[in-house]
Amino acid sequence: GAGVSQSPSNKVTEKGKDVELRCDPISGHTALYWYRQSLGQGLEFLIYFQGNSAPDKSGLPSDRFSAERTGGSVSTLTIQRTQQEDSAVYLCASSIDRGGVQPQHFGDGTRLSIL
Amino acid sequence: DAKTTQPPSMDCAEGRAANLPCNHSTISGNEYVYWYRQIHSQGPQYIIHGLKNNETNEMASLIITEDRKSSTLILPHATLRDTAVYYCIVRGLGGGGADGLTFGKGTHLIIQP
Repeated sequence: GAGVSQSPSNKVTEKGKDVELRCDPISGHTALYWYRQSLGQGLEFLIYFQGNSAPDKSGLPSDRFSAERTGGSVSTLTIQRTQQEDSAVYLCASSIDRGGVQPQHFGDGTRLSIL
Repeated sequence: DAKTTQPPSMDCAEGRAANLPCNHSTISGNEYVYWYRQIHSQGPQYIIHGLKNNETNEMASLIITEDRKSSTLILPHATLRDTAVYYCIVRGLGGGGADGLTFGKGTHLIIQP
């Protein structure tokens, strides 16, 4: 079956540019998460959407980062005025519910490189 | 969420069972044990989870001790494609705020031909 799809798979851009990353969750999954994984590091939680509720933005590292989820499905993560320290793999995951019982299913991420 | 301890690396011969241990001695009653793995250049992949009973699916088996302080992930017939970093995570229900996962260092499992 279709898993979590992320695009683009790779993105190279110049410092100062804006980038937009897309995530298509598994159909029917109401919870959606964005994470960041830097080289050799663990997962860094960024933002969480659950249904029509206001997102939990507690992990966003700065106000240059924002995300939206339209129609409870597709989500986009936007990074404005990119910096070199934004270089990382950005991972999206979805889950059938909130509450931590059902597992999160991940996409293969977008590898972002800031020159 | 409870802390977990895993060996940093393990080797296993192809075709043999790979048994990956995890200690979670501070686990509380409503916390589940989850296993994920991450193959190089891919996103984390969910494997299996359980509360207190042993669980089996098409990928693996999860054995949880009676006191729930440790568990073992078993890959019954390891293949070269099972080479990955395996993460054991303990998570409770809800918990408020972010439900983001936190991965530790995991176990780097290397399947030898």
